[in-house]
Amino acid sequence: RKEVEQDPGPFNVPEGATVAFNCTYSNSASQSFFWYRQDCRKEPKLLMSVYSSGNEDGRFTAQLNRASQYISLLIRDSKLSDSATYLCVVNGDNFNKFYFGSGTKLNVKP
Amino acid sequence: NAGVTQTPKFRILKIGQSMTLQCTQDMNHNYMYWYRQDPGMGLKLIYYSVGAGITDKGEVPNGYNVSRSTTEDFPLRLELAAPSQTSVYFCASRPGQLGNEKLFFGSGTQLSVL
Repeated sequence: RKEVEQDPGPFNVPEGATVAFNCTYSNSASQSFFWYRQDCRKEPKLLMSVYSSGNEDGRFTAQLNRASQYISLLIRDSKLSDSATYLCVVNGDNFNKFYFGSGTKLNVKP
Repeated sequence: NAGVTQTPKFRILKIGQSMTLQCTQDMNHNYMYWYRQDPGMGLKLIYYSVGAGITDKGEVPNGYNVSRSTTEDFPLRLELAAPSQTSVYFCASRPGQLGNEKLFFGSGTQLSVL
């Protein structure tokens, strides 16, 4: 079983739409959760960490559900510049290891 | 402040050749990582290091070797290149303090084995 699983998409949405991605993880001992953004052929960059209480950064909201072992990312008022692949990242029971999902591709259309 | 620097950016190898992918960071980070990313896929952990002299295997270590003789450098060695090793390779580092787990990535090395 994969450590981290994501819907690959693509999600094709118009500008201004709200879009949500989910990610599930297999290791109940995981303690750290993140969303990274990756533009085509570029390195991943941290979008936001995900905290147990949920957290918001501008148009982006991340939630963690430990009981169901899933993480979500909500993007409100989508911009063309949000088009990218969003990677869910979780640490393993060896807290030094970080496992990446295969990514969810978002295309925001004019 | 250069961050994480990877060289080369592109390389074509013939089957059976060997090469070393270089990674260096100037942030005095304890933790360093090597990932590979196949087309349309997420990143898979090859090897990681928690400090100079200490390395450990990740998810897909076969066919690779690493060393960590200094805090700054974490080279990845391919001994007998195979077509299955065609991928984009990313090196990353992080400070290692609790609560500071952001991974800083290099710009990647695109490797083709033909």
